[in-house]
Amino acid sequence: GENVEQHPSTLSVQEGDSAVIKCTYSDSASNYFPWYKQELGKRPQLIIDIRSNVGEKKDQRIAVTLNKTAKHFSLHITETQPEDSAVYFCAASWGGNQFYFGTGTSLTVIP
Amino acid sequence: NAGVTQTPKFRVLKTGQSMTLLCAQDMNHEYMYWYRQDPGMGLRLIHYSVGEGTTAKGEVPDGYNVSRLKKQNFLLGLESAAPSQTSVYFCASTDSLRYGYTFGSGTRLTVV
Repeated sequence: GENVEQHPSTLSVQEGDSAVIKCTYSDSASNYFPWYKQELGKRPQLIIDIRSNVGEKKDQRIAVTLNKTAKHFSLHITETQPEDSAVYFCAASWGGNQFYFGTGTSLTVIP
Repeated sequence: NAGVTQTPKFRVLKTGQSMTLLCAQDMNHEYMYWYRQDPGMGLRLIHYSVGEGTTAKGEVPDGYNVSRLKKQNFLLGLESAAPSQTSVYFCASTDSLRYGYTFGSGTRLTVV
């Protein structure tokens, strides 16, 4: 089955700096890659996703890039704000029966 | 339109007791999932269902049972609770793996 690795497990940045979280996947058939944000005590919520037919997608301060050849994808957050502090999960799917999740990155934005 | 609703939100059980967690979705989704989340362990899949009347095991199914008698409901049962089942449980649903999950708000279960 698919295996998704996520790095780093923890990340601290100063407010206003950028944050980058990286994930690698093992199954070349995977074609859909969502990212979830989970604030403390809350449910994970989908914040951005990318499909295998595009290399980059942006939504205001967040962007996701995909390198199919290397089988890795990354979440980029620019101009970080304290409200960006949360746990972020990447996931991958080839359209089967489930998503495969990374183990999460705890992001802390220091004011 | 409530999305995915989990009940209860909190529960404390004694070792050996049983309970059922209910997940209900009003989006007509085919796929439903139960995950557990433990500190530093991410989201681990317990059981899932790809349609009414179907269930399948995930990564950590031992000690749990599930049922999907109605399309909108997915029940997670603990027959004899153990302290190792202390966790936060999330239900999720989707109508296609081409789109992301919608998660419920979670159930915090403590087994003493």
